[in-house]
Amino acid sequence: DAKTTQPPSMDCAEGRAANLPCNHSTISGNEYVYWYRQIHSQGPQYIIHGLKNNETNEMASLIITEDRKSSTLILPHATLRDTAVYYCIVRVGNKAAGNKLTFGGGTRVLVKP
Amino acid sequence: DGGITQSPKYLFRKEGQNVTLSCEQNLNHDAMYWYRQDPGQGLRLIYYSQIVNDFQKGDIAEGYSVSREKKESFPLTVTSAQKNPTAFYLCASAGGAGNSPLHFGNGTRLTVT
Repeated sequence: DAKTTQPPSMDCAEGRAANLPCNHSTISGNEYVYWYRQIHSQGPQYIIHGLKNNETNEMASLIITEDRKSSTLILPHATLRDTAVYYCIVRVGNKAAGNKLTFGGGTRVLVKP
Repeated sequence: DGGITQSPKYLFRKEGQNVTLSCEQNLNHDAMYWYRQDPGQGLRLIYYSQIVNDFQKGDIAEGYSVSREKKESFPLTVTSAQKNPTAFYLCASAGGAGNSPLHFGNGTRLTVT
């Protein structure tokens, strides 16, 4: 699976949009981009995933560049409860690969009042 | 409520004892996973199972064992051979599609003294 690069930490203001970048320059054509977040002492929470099109759900939006070498997770209106470590993961989306995820260090996001 | 249940939340054992961590899911997912997380680190894959009565080693399987006798259950045994068993253990499951996201339980924090 392709490696990802994320900033180790970032702050954002409550009520503003939070834009979390992720670089995955070695991504292959059949690899999906997944985002998870982990609030302290809890299990990771799935946020969103995509292959090449932009995706949106009730939690966030995922913007993937046309060359697929980077993506941005957007939390439209950050709240204090969005403070967490956010993980960007790329992996092959087929059953033979076992749906395994490889977690890197993630981005520690602090939402400030 | 559909979800993944890990029990207990906290577990304490003496060195040299085997201990079994429970993971149950009622999501009707085929695949289940065990991850380990050390303080300040990302998750590392211990074992995974894509179907009943079958499982594969992950990246750090030494000192651990699993069974998958039922679709709903994937217990993890931390044996006395595991050199550094104190950690946060996370169980996850995923549906049948190749790009299905993993859904995590809230973890068991194991302390061995």
